[in-house]
Amino acid sequence: EDQVTQSPEALRLQEGESSSLNCSYTVSGLRGLFWYRQDPGKGPEFLFTLYSAGEEKEKERLKATLTKKESFLHITAPKPEDSATYLCAVQSRGSARQLTFGSGTQLTVLP
Amino acid sequence: DAGVIQSPRHEVTEMGQEVTLRCKPISGHDYLFWYRQTMMRGLELLIYFNNNVPIDDSGMPEDRFSAKMPNASFSTLKIQPSEPRDSAVYFCASSAQAGGRYGYTFGSGTRLTVV
Repeated sequence: EDQVTQSPEALRLQEGESSSLNCSYTVSGLRGLFWYRQDPGKGPEFLFTLYSAGEEKEKERLKATLTKKESFLHITAPKPEDSATYLCAVQSRGSARQLTFGSGTQLTVLP
Repeated sequence: DAGVIQSPRHEVTEMGQEVTLRCKPISGHDYLFWYRQTMMRGLELLIYFNNNVPIDDSGMPEDRFSAKMPNASFSTLKIQPSEPRDSAVYFCASSAQAGGRYGYTFGSGTRLTVV
């Protein structure tokens, strides 16, 4: 059974204070690892897909990296508008085409 | 494109009543997913369709839940009879590929409250 664990559950940062979110996963062959951002009252918004260990993707102040056991979402010099819940999900080769989500990290960036 | 459209945004109903949630996927997307989100369990897949055909419904919690996709532009999730433990946010998502390079596009969700 695919499992995804995200840490920390909540993170409070000062504006400009860089940090990283962690996503540990267990899958029977990784097809893809996904990062989403979710704002209150809205659906998850797609950020990145990573396919193999060593791969990195960047978007503005966000950079996602992948190893064989975990993924990190690095946030550089965050701004208050980066406040949201960040969700990690995996899709495995052995299962059907669904995504298995972690419980998310709630990020608050204070001005 | 207007994105994935779900209706209603909010639904409050009494226990035992029938509830129908609706979803219009993005045109051209051939995969459609129904997810449920709660504080305790996070996002859980209920069922997904490929080209209007249900592929995996193993996440549907009980026979009280049913889903249909009569055509490529419309899907429904029905709960009959509803119970308080069904209270959650229900999301519909669609994808042109099964979670490939561009991920899934989610709707804004339907917040269901069963009293």
